[in-house]
This record gives sequence, C-alpha cells and structure tokens, in this order.
Amino acid sequence: DAKTTQPPSMDCAEGRAANLPCNHSTISGNEYVYWYRQIHSQGPQYIIHGLKNNETNEMASLIITEDRKSSTLILPHATLRDTAVYYCIVRVAYNTGNQFYFGTGTSLTVIP
Amino acid sequence: GAVVSQHPSRVICKSGTSVKIECRSLDFQATTMFWYRQFPKKSLMLMATSNEGSKATYEQGVEKDKFLINHASLTLSTLTVTSAHPEDSSFYICSASPRRGGQNEKLFFGSGTQLSVL
Repeated sequence: DAKTTQPPSMDCAEGRAANLPCNHSTISGNEYVYWYRQIHSQGPQYIIHGLKNNETNEMASLIITEDRKSSTLILPHATLRDTAVYYCIVRVAYNTGNQFYFGTGTSLTVIP
Repeated sequence: GAVVSQHPSRVICKSGTSVKIECRSLDFQATTMFWYRQFPKKSLMLMATSNEGSKATYEQGVEKDKFLINHASLTLSTLTVTSAHPEDSSFYICSASPRRGGQNEKLFFGSGTQLSVL
C-alpha cells in the first residue's frame, strides 16, 4: 500500500523552480523516499532518492524534513519537457527484499 | 543508467485469447523483476514480484491463474494474460533493479505495453 500523499496537480511557470510536496507521515526509520516521473504512456523515470539528508543531482534536489514526515522535490528551472506526473514513493523493506509502492502522484504542468 | 526493454509496446487481441509480454534487462542481471498495471489517469499498481527460478509473489487481489509470470533467466521475465477479456485492457509496465536490496537500489522501468482486448 502506498504510504505517500501528494497534491493531484500543480502548475509552474517555465524557468521558475517547481516545488512538489509529499507527505509520508508513517514512514519508518529505514525506509527511503524516492521520486520518479512519468511522461504520458511511458515507463517511469528515476529522479532522486534519499533517507534523511537532503540530496541533489543533475535533475533535482530533494529536501526531507528533520522528522522525515514530508519531503519536497525541487526542479530548479522547470522546462516544458518537465511536464509529467511526479510520484513520491516510500521504499518498503521486507524480508524478501524491497518493494516500491506508487502513490497517486502530482501532475505537473509547466506553462510557457 | 540500466536499460529495461519491454515488448510489445502495443497489442490488440480478441477476447478469450492469451497475450504474452516480455521484459528484459539488457545490461544487468535481475534476480527480481516487478510487474505493474496502470489504468488511464491512475497510478501504477504493483501486481507481482517475479523471482528468477521460483514462483512469483502476487499482490493481494491479483489472480495468479489470470496473470502467469515466468522468470526463466536472470534477464527475462514474461507476463502472460490468459483468456483475456476487455476488463484486462490496461497499460502493463515491468521493472527491474540491478542492485537488489542495496541501499541505493533503484528501479528501472520498461516502456510499457498497452493491451487492448476487443
């Protein structure tokens, strides 16, 4: 079962930063937060992940609150190609391995 | 990044026929692959975990006899939708991880298969 909640949709002006929030209030101490995005009718694309420290890569930054109950994905300079559905995922660890359960996602529209 | 290939990308079949979807990890070995299902404008729903050399693990509510999974090698998993009906029409996506269980485990996804059952 998904352990995340996200706003269903957001708009962002081209060139501005897009800040996508995610709540994961029931996250356990060893569970990671992942972000993927999906452009229409394609497989999801990995963006970033983290445990408790903030993370940055060439695509985005991930800010995780100190209590780990929420996080924010930041796309620093949104372009039209960033229009997609963004999924915040908690990776759940089982004895048999990790499972990735997708929440409902946020549909981000970048406006020219 | 790691590449996962899924085939076919689109299939149309008659009701009552069976359809096989292939998922291959092209540049890494995957002891475990995952199958998801997605309805229009909805999120991905995990159907089953495919384990190389052993039986798949199905999520609650997923019919094992309807969705047959075979993971015969470290680079290939197949999903067969048996006796397909229109309600099985959906977008099916596979994924795999090159570092199963590691701290930095990432899932890499195939491009998906759009199944339409007439």
